[in-house]
Amino acid sequence: AQKITQTQPGMFVQEKEAVTLDCTYDTSDPSYGLFWYKQPSSGEMIFLIYQGSYDQQNATEGRYSLNFQKARKSANLVISASQLGDSAMYFCAMRARLLNTGTASKLTFGTGTRLQVTL
Amino acid sequence: DSGVTQTPKHLITATGQRVTLRCSPRSGDLSVYWYQQSLDQGLQFLIQYYNGEERAKGNILERFSAQQFPDLHSELNLSSLELGDSALYFCASSFQDSEGQPQHFGDGTRLSIL
Repeated sequence: AQKITQTQPGMFVQEKEAVTLDCTYDTSDPSYGLFWYKQPSSGEMIFLIYQGSYDQQNATEGRYSLNFQKARKSANLVISASQLGDSAMYFCAMRARLLNTGTASKLTFGTGTRLQVTL
Repeated sequence: DSGVTQTPKHLITATGQRVTLRCSPRSGDLSVYWYQQSLDQGLQFLIQYYNGEERAKGNILERFSAQQFPDLHSELNLSSLELGDSALYFCASSFQDSEGQPQHFGDGTRLSIL
């Protein structure tokens, strides 16, 4: 079974500053993907960034980067130069390839971190 | 815009009723996933269909059922509704069942049971 832990229920950051949202995971499956999603107050789920378990380099997508430390089983999201529009709920999620089927079905989500960007 | 379309956006109904939520996946995506987001349970996987066939089941109640049609759109049927079924229901899609592919989500259907 897979488990995602996000220990920060809420975070504040000033505009233009960088912020790190923590995520740790647990799985016994050797091949998996880690994802971050953003959920604004309007409710939609927006895919931000992906990191594969065998990727040697940390993923980056614009102002988003993923600090992947496999030995620590952590996949923290770093948002640089925060903007007011970054205020939202952020979810870390995992998708693992199951050894018995060879397929990777569901996403397992953490409980989320609510980020508030202030002036 | 994720390319995944869900209808309706909002649904208000009473206990004991039945509703159908509809989802059109992104063009070319074969897999459709349904998730439920509630305050007490968080985001929970319900069920997956791949190219018309059920592929995986999660915490889906027996009162709930789903199907994927030949044109790949999917419907989630919720029956004998209870107050606790009030939630945001998401549909997501991806091309394959790969751990390296993100699932792209629709905007959700917000279901309120009165």
